[in-house]
Amino acid sequence: DAGVIQSPRHEVTEMGQEVTLRCKPISGHNSLFWYRQTMMRGLELLIYFNNNVPIDDSGMPEDRFSAKMPNASFSTLKIQPSEPRDSAVYFCASGQSAILEAFFGQGTRLTVV
Amino acid sequence: GIQVEQSPPDLILQEGANSTLRCNFSDSVNNLQWFHQNPWGQLINLFYIPSGTKQNGRLSATTVATERYSLLYISSSQTTDSGVYFCAGHARYGGSQGNLIFGKGTKLSVKP
Repeated sequence: DAGVIQSPRHEVTEMGQEVTLRCKPISGHNSLFWYRQTMMRGLELLIYFNNNVPIDDSGMPEDRFSAKMPNASFSTLKIQPSEPRDSAVYFCASGQSAILEAFFGQGTRLTVV
Repeated sequence: GIQVEQSPPDLILQEGANSTLRCNFSDSVNNLQWFHQNPWGQLINLFYIPSGTKQNGRLSATTVATERYSLLYISSSQTTDSGVYFCAGHARYGGSQGNLIFGKGTKLSVKP
């Protein structure tokens, strides 16, 4: 298996633009997590899906952030409009609920200028 | 509350030394995992260890679930072991059930 695949690996955008981050979980996994990592705050859980349904989105910072999981093999995290303080590394992880071991993608480094 | 606490926050070792990293977790967390974040930012799975002991080369981990702690042992450390070590556990109850909760990490620097 190719593991969790995130795209793009790097994204530089101007303030105010829409940004979409993508994640393909490991085949057969039914839990998916989005995290954000910064030097100041460390790893923050943004949202958690189980069987494509958002279970806990309490970590989503504000209405500018939205996440979807239209099917078991794809999820997006969208920021609209983006702001410089959104600059961070965004990780996606997936796992099987029954076993609950989670595996991380390589992350997307987002820079908003 | 849901808590995962790691110690020490920072650790500097001379190459070849051994070390033990600790993770304490609250009753509302289970199914511990250990990760290594390398200097390139990748989060690498080390162990999935809800209980018991596992070994993989120079690394081993032990979780005593009844006492709510887990230990990661690194023997004969190498410079490539440098990075941040995270433990994480899943929330057991409530609306956050299943969430993977991370500790703040232990930053390890191994000097040649």
